[in-house]
Amino acid sequence: QKEVEQNSGPLSVPEGAIASLNCTYSDRGSQSFFWYRQYSGKSPELIMFIYSNGDKEDGRFTAQLNKASQYVSLLIRDSQPSDSATYLCAVIGNQGGKLIFGQGTELSVKP
Amino acid sequence: DAGITQSPRHKVTETGTPVTLRCHQTENHRYMYWYRQDPGHGLRLIHYSYGVKDTDKGEVSDGYSVSRSKTEDFLLTLESATSSQTSVYFCAIGDSSYEQYFGPGTRLTVT
Repeated sequence: QKEVEQNSGPLSVPEGAIASLNCTYSDRGSQSFFWYRQYSGKSPELIMFIYSNGDKEDGRFTAQLNKASQYVSLLIRDSQPSDSATYLCAVIGNQGGKLIFGQGTELSVKP
Repeated sequence: DAGITQSPRHKVTETGTPVTLRCHQTENHRYMYWYRQDPGHGLRLIHYSYGVKDTDKGEVSDGYSVSRSKTEDFLLTLESATSSQTSVYFCAIGDSSYEQYFGPGTRLTVT
């Protein structure tokens, strides 16, 4: 079992819809969770982080964390074509200090 | 890119030659990281540094060495490049071990 798993996609949604990206992790002791966005040919960009159970909202983005079920998700409301990118989930595990990345989910927002 | 540069941005080299990649930051961040990104594997940590002359291995450190003699510079050396080291290499920096910000990347091809 991979430490951090994501569906590679591609996930295709129409413009204006809600995009839902999911991530599961295996280390129950993980404490910190991050979402990065990576446009094709570019470097990853940190867009959200969440440390506590529940929801965290930032503009059109909402991160959701459920430690009991070991999943973290990212919702993008009112999706725009400019949101088309690969979204990377990353977790800091129990051993501390090191980010462990999932393989990323490719999102395509169609006009 | 949060005051972080990488050089060179592109390099083609031959099998068996040594290669050094440079990461330079202007943010005075304590932590610096080297990752490689490959299709099907996502981002994998090679080495990281938590201070001048303080480094540690990551998930895929074999065949790589690092040095950090100044806060602002973190060097990654491939002692004898192999075709399996063809990849995109990203440097990242952070003020803590949690939030990390990535440089623009170096595309390395080993022929």
